[in-house]
Amino acid sequence: DAGVIQSPRHEVTEMGQEVTLRCKPISGHDYLFWYRQTMMRGLELLIYFNNNVPIDDSGMPEDRFSAKMPNASFSTLKIQPSEPRDSAVYFCASSLAPSHVFSPNEQFFGPGTRLTVL
Amino acid sequence: AQSVTQPDIHITVSEGASLELRCNYSYGATPYLFWYVQSPGQGLQLLLKYFSGDTLVQGIKGFEAEFKRSQSSFNLRKPSVHWSDAAEYFCAVGIFGNEKLTFGTGTRLTIIP
Repeated sequence: DAGVIQSPRHEVTEMGQEVTLRCKPISGHDYLFWYRQTMMRGLELLIYFNNNVPIDDSGMPEDRFSAKMPNASFSTLKIQPSEPRDSAVYFCASSLAPSHVFSPNEQFFGPGTRLTVL
Repeated sequence: AQSVTQPDIHITVSEGASLELRCNYSYGATPYLFWYVQSPGQGLQLLLKYFSGDTLVQGIKGFEAEFKRSQSSFNLRKPSVHWSDAAEYFCAVGIFGNEKLTFGTGTRLTIIP
């Protein structure tokens, strides 16, 4: 299994530009999570999907951020327009439906996309 | 809401020495607890998890953790560290009925020869 795949691994852009991050979850996984990691705020959950449906987007910082999951094998996180404070490492993770009812399951993380907004 | 505290930002230990990383959680009911490790430039990898039952949990790479309800703690231990254990370690808590995990701020582990 290739694991969770993210692209690009590194992105450098200028303020005001649109940025699209991509994620391919592990085949068969039911949940997909987008996280942001910074020195100041640590690892923050932005949004997660269950069977391609957004369940909780309360962590999305503002309207400039949007996420989609058009099918079970692909998700995007878009920032438009980007700002320097968006610079961070963005992780995608996926998991199976829990084997224990109503318990969270192990999340498998991708390698991350390091975004730098100048 | 649940929360996780990792009081140590950075720990340095000698290779071969024992290790204990602290994790305290706040939640009114029994939590689901996880330890993840992040090597430089990599994503997070699960070391171990606690859901119920035996309070001493064994994980990969020789790590173990003990759930202590009275202390609201889930400390990670290893009897003898190797240079390859240098990484950042995250404790996380999940709750009944929710797939979300709340992560601590992490502890960076440095190994000296």
